[in-house]
Amino acid sequence: ETGVTQTPRHLVMGMTNKKSLKCEQHLGHNAMYWYKQSAKKPLELMFVYSLEERVENNSVPSRFSPECPNSSHLFLHLHTLQPEDSALYLCASSQDRGPLLQPQHFGDGTRLSIL
Amino acid sequence: ILNVEQSPQSLHVQEGDSTNFTCSFPSSNFYALHWYRWETAKSPEALFVMTLNGDEKKKGRISATLNTKEGYSYLYIKGSQPEDSATYLCAPLYYGNNRLAFGKGNQVVVIP
Repeated sequence: ETGVTQTPRHLVMGMTNKKSLKCEQHLGHNAMYWYKQSAKKPLELMFVYSLEERVENNSVPSRFSPECPNSSHLFLHLHTLQPEDSALYLCASSQDRGPLLQPQHFGDGTRLSIL
Repeated sequence: ILNVEQSPQSLHVQEGDSTNFTCSFPSSNFYALHWYRWETAKSPEALFVMTLNGDEKKKGRISATLNTKEGYSYLYIKGSQPEDSATYLCAPLYYGNNRLAFGKGNQVVVIP
């Protein structure tokens, strides 16, 4: 139990569907992150939210839309995805956004498959 | 794009043996290094955050050293056990860029 919960664990969707990934942290952290891991590639940062404000967008296509309604919840809204978007999406949280001297706490991830 | 290399990419270790592997990263503007352990079907788990040259940290049978001048860190597992089977990720952090740059990981399989 890491204190970071992601749902769903697995998601299969068509390219025209709209779906959302959810992340919730119970650690009292003030920063939350979305990462993507594609096969044979390193973990890639997508978005960073600090105190519910987006502070970083790592050149992510607009078909991925993050939302952070409060410091405990983070969403990733998906629409018109492409097959190359199939990957494991990990959420993480940390106590302080910067500098990152505190470890990040990760969820189990959502395995996304685009048909 | 930062060049963070972890070698070897994959290794098999006999139970009870000790092993080590390397994370290499650019040393210029280095600030800190994170190590995580990622077991299959679980979430990455933080092992260490290291900042100082010559730093050495230990957690149970796992330890890590850091050389910030030449840009590398070693992770050691003493007396490997099957539960040590995982992918070990390193991620350096640099001044002026508050983003972890993950390597591809060292995948360790401990053979009973």
